[in-house]
Amino acid sequence: GQQVMQIPQYQHVQEGEDFTTYCNSSTTLSNIQWYKQRPGGHPVFLIQLVKSGEVKKQKRLTFQFGEAKKNSSLHITATQTTDVGTYFCAGVTGTASKLTFGTGTRLQVTL
Amino acid sequence: NAGVTQTPKFRVLKTGQSMTLLCAQDMNHEYMYWYRQDPGMGLRLIHYSVGEGTTAKGEVPDGYNVSRLKKQNFLLGLESAAPSQTSVYFCASSYHTNEQFFGPGTRLTVL
Repeated sequence: GQQVMQIPQYQHVQEGEDFTTYCNSSTTLSNIQWYKQRPGGHPVFLIQLVKSGEVKKQKRLTFQFGEAKKNSSLHITATQTTDVGTYFCAGVTGTASKLTFGTGTRLQVTL
Repeated sequence: NAGVTQTPKFRVLKTGQSMTLLCAQDMNHEYMYWYRQDPGMGLRLIHYSVGEGTTAKGEVPDGYNVSRLKKQNFLLGLESAAPSQTSVYFCASSYHTNEQFFGPGTRLTVL
């Protein structure tokens, strides 16, 4: 079955440093979504990418979808303590009616 | 709009007991999902539904049953709970395979 892996599993940064998480799928994706889950909370949608090579920005967050539509990345510039949480990518394959979630990257930010 | 609600929020069961988790959404979404999340792990799909009266198996369906008798409700049943089913359960809904809206989760402990 389809597998979606994320690296790293965990990253600890000082506030102000940059952070990047990478997502890799074993199969080509029709779209990819990113979610953030704060400790003790539920996943919250951040963004959806559909086109090959697409790049989208949300303030300090930059999302990329690979040319082959099998990988994606999330980059956070100048992290803040409010960025703490686990970031998940989730992909849709073909005409599937469901998302396959990645393993997640837990981000810890300290002052 | 309440979005996606889940009941109960917490539950403790003894091995062999049964229970039903209720998910309700008020966004008129066709698609609904049940996930489980174990410590340090991502979201694993249990069952999902693409419309009233239809259900399908996800990645980890064994030991669970579901029903979607009304469009706004998606029920997850455990017929004979086992300690391995101790987890946090999330329900989500979406318009097709777009952004998923998650409920606050149910924390289940099976002793």
